[in-house]
Amino acid sequence: EVQLVESGGGLVQPGGSLRLSCAASGFTFTIYWMSWVRQAPGKGLEWVANIKQDGGEKNYVDSVKGRFTISRDNAKNSLYLQMNSLRAEDTAVYYCARDMGGNYWGMDVWGQGTTVTVSS
Amino acid sequence: SYVLTQPPSVSVAPGKTARITCGGNNIGSKSVHWYQQKSGQAPVLVVYDDSDRPSGIPERFSGSNSGNTATLTISRVEDGDEADYYCQVWDSSGDHRVFGGGTKLTVL
Repeated sequence: EVQLVESGGGLVQPGGSLRLSCAASGFTFTIYWMSWVRQAPGKGLEWVANIKQDGGEKNYVDSVKGRFTISRDNAKNSLYLQMNSLRAEDTAVYYCARDMGGNYWGMDVWGQGTTVTVSS
Repeated sequence: SYVLTQPPSVSVAPGKTARITCGGNNIGSKSVHWYQQKSGQAPVLVVYDDSDRPSGIPERFSGSNSGNTATLTISRVEDGDEADYYCQVWDSSGDHRVFGGGTKLTVL
């Protein structure tokens, strides 16, 4: 079964850091771009970042550039999101998603999400 | 940055056809993808590349894209289709994905 399972969410103070993980199974992780997408409470979807198969290309939404870093470990079939300098507006459910192809393609497999709350 | 505009809500009776629009400047030149998100669940891709359906998605779901408007059409609407629907494209000028604001489909 194709599956993505996120972990690492929690409560963190403003200015703090958190590292999210996404474990992939049931498919050949190494041949897919991967993405993170978030959804603030009661709001719509917002794409956060994506990463090429070999990690050699990464793209970010402007609001997280310089604060968040996407990475992957193909040997462990895992995707990561290092989040630094967290703000209240980063509070959201964070989804890991598989890209069908490169940037112009959709995202065809999603995890169930992990919740990040930034609050003092 | 590129903006996608969706109506906040669409209502339709069971068995009828629902059409959800996604407006954007010359969106017809882009590949549009549509996601369904039911309450408390992760999104599901229902249409990709304007009009293709992933395996397992009913033929009742179809898409089109031309000019400044892309449209998701759901035929013979069922109670189980009630959800939020999002369109999405790649904005090559900003090198990032963009989602529309979402449309809540209510089945009357």
